[in-house]
Parts: sequence; structure tokens; C-alpha cells
Amino acid sequence: AQSVTQPDIHITVSEGASLELRCNYSYGATPYLFWYVQSPGQGLQLLLKYFSGDTLVQGIKGFEAEFKRSQSSFNLRKPSVHWSDAAEYFCAVGARAAGNKLTFGGGTRVLVKP
Amino acid sequence: DSGVTQTPKHLITATGQRVTLRCSPRSGDLSVYWYQQSLDQGLQFLIQYYNGEERAKGNILERFSAQQFPDLHSELNLSSLELGDSALYFCASSVASGGATDTQYFGPGTRLTVL
Repeated sequence: AQSVTQPDIHITVSEGASLELRCNYSYGATPYLFWYVQSPGQGLQLLLKYFSGDTLVQGIKGFEAEFKRSQSSFNLRKPSVHWSDAAEYFCAVGARAAGNKLTFGGGTRVLVKP
Repeated sequence: DSGVTQTPKHLITATGQRVTLRCSPRSGDLSVYWYQQSLDQGLQFLIQYYNGEERAKGNILERFSAQQFPDLHSELNLSSLELGDSALYFCASSVASGGATDTQYFGPGTRLTVL
């Protein structure tokens, strides 16, 4: 069965500083990987996704993520954080088998200090 | 705005009651997924429908059921409600039923409070 671990429950970062959110997955084959962001009181917005090909994926809002098969990781990065990036971030793995359920990590809540 | 709509936004009810949550997928999407987000369980997949047929099932309780109608909207029915059913329920939709290019887009959620 697939699983996702986000080791950091909370991260506090200063505005303008870089951000990296960790994600480790467990899956028997090459997975589909996603990062979603949830702002307070909002639904989930897709930031980026990896299916195959180039292991460095660019997303919206200046985010990027790198798929590292050897480390079973898909870490999310942003070079310079804005106050509006304060939110909860979820990493998810999708199954390649029939059906398309997403398995989510526990989420990382990002706080941005002025 | 993802294009996925969910009603109602908030629902407050009592234990033992039954409620229905509604979801309209993005135009052209054939799959609808239901997820539950709670403090103790996190985000969990409940069930998927594709073009009216059940496609995949997750950790959905027997007290819960869902269906997808010919116009592709979906309803999630929760019965004999318990305090622990209080959660945010998300609907998502995608074009197909899986595969390399199939991406799920999420609605704003329905917050259910069981008193």
C-alpha cells in the first residue's frame, strides 16, 4: 500500500527566506506525485505534479519540487517566501493502478514571519 | 476557483441524523472523488465514481454511501451520524479515472459539525 510522510508538522520561515518542505513516499513503482496547498478555510489547490520525465518540476506561485527516486522523496521548494504563502501544504501520491485515489501526507503548516 | 462546487458550505446536525452532501464536478470531468479531512485522521480517500459507476473505495464507513447521477453530479450520504463524523468533506473531480495526465481538482469542502 502506498503511504506518504511529511516529517515536519510546522515550519516557521521569515518573509524573503527560502523554504523547503520534505515529503517521503512509499510505493511499489514509480508514483504520481502531487503537492497541494490549503489556505485557511479554503479547499486544496494544486501547486505541481510529477508523472514522469524531468525530475525537477515547476509549479504555480514560484514553487518547484524535485523527485528523487533513490531517496523516495519529492521535496517542495521556494526560493523566496511571501507572506501569502502561509498555509498548509500536502504532499500526495497517486496510484497507477485502476482508479486514481490520492494518499496524502499529514501536512506541513507554514508560518511566515514578517 | 477550481470549478468544482460543493453544497452546503456548512452543516450542523445532531447525532443519529442523516445528511446529504452535494458535489458538481468541473465541466467535462467524468470522475468524482470524496475525501474526509479530520484532525485525527488527516485527509483520507473515501470513494471514487467514474461516469456513474463506483470505481474505487477507500476507508468509507458502512453508514456512508455515495452515488453519481447521469448529469455527473455526486452526493455523499452520511447516516446515523456520530460525533466523530465531524470533519471537512472534500469533493474532487478529474477528466478520466486515472493515468498519467489525470489530475484531481478539489472543491471548497463542506464542513460538517455533529453535536
